Amino acid sequence: RKEVEQDPGPFNVPEGATVAFNCTYSNSASQSFFWYRQDCRKEPKLLMSVYSSGNEDGRFTAQLNRASQYISLLIRDSKLSDSATYLCVVINDYKLSFGAGTTVTVRA
Amino acid sequence: DAEITQSPRHKITETGRQVTLACHQTWNHNNMFWYRQDLGHGLRLIHYSYGVHDTNKGEVSDGYSVSRSNTEDLPLTLESAASSQTSVYFCASSENVGQEQFFGPGTRLTVL
Repeated sequence: RKEVEQDPGPFNVPEGATVAFNCTYSNSASQSFFWYRQDCRKEPKLLMSVYSSGNEDGRFTAQLNRASQYISLLIRDSKLSDSATYLCVVINDYKLSFGAGTTVTVRA
Repeated sequence: DAEITQSPRHKITETGRQVTLACHQTWNHNNMFWYRQDLGHGLRLIHYSYGVHDTNKGEVSDGYSVSRSNTEDLPLTLESAASSQTSVYFCASSENVGQEQFFGPGTRLTVL
């Protein structure tokens, strides 16, 4: 079983819609979690950290469910510019493990 | 502004040749990392370094080597390139271990 698994998608949504997707991780002792965003053929960039109590950053909401070992990302009021691949990152013993990514395409 | 750069951005080489990919960061970060990214896989760690003269193997280190002679640079060498090493390679750095990593723009390597 992979350390970090994501639904690859793609999630095709119209502008203004809400889209949400999850990422599961296998190590229950994982310490920290992030969402990165990667545009086509570009480098990954940090989108947001994921805190135990859940956190928001504008239209983006990240949540952590330790009991079921998954994190989620919700995007409200989708914009065309949100089209990207979203990478889930889990930290164990200071090492980052990346999911393969969930692709989101927002259409006009 | 501090940044992390990689060169070359694109490289085509032949099987068996030695190839070196450069990574240079001006963040003054102690921690540097090399990843490869292939379709259907997440970024996979090749090698990493926590400081000058420190190098460590990642999960896919076979056929690759690194050296760290200064803070700014972590070159990645493919000793004898193989077609299975065709991939996109990303270098990254971080200020603290286990925290946000900043990535370079990537090098697209094709081994024929």
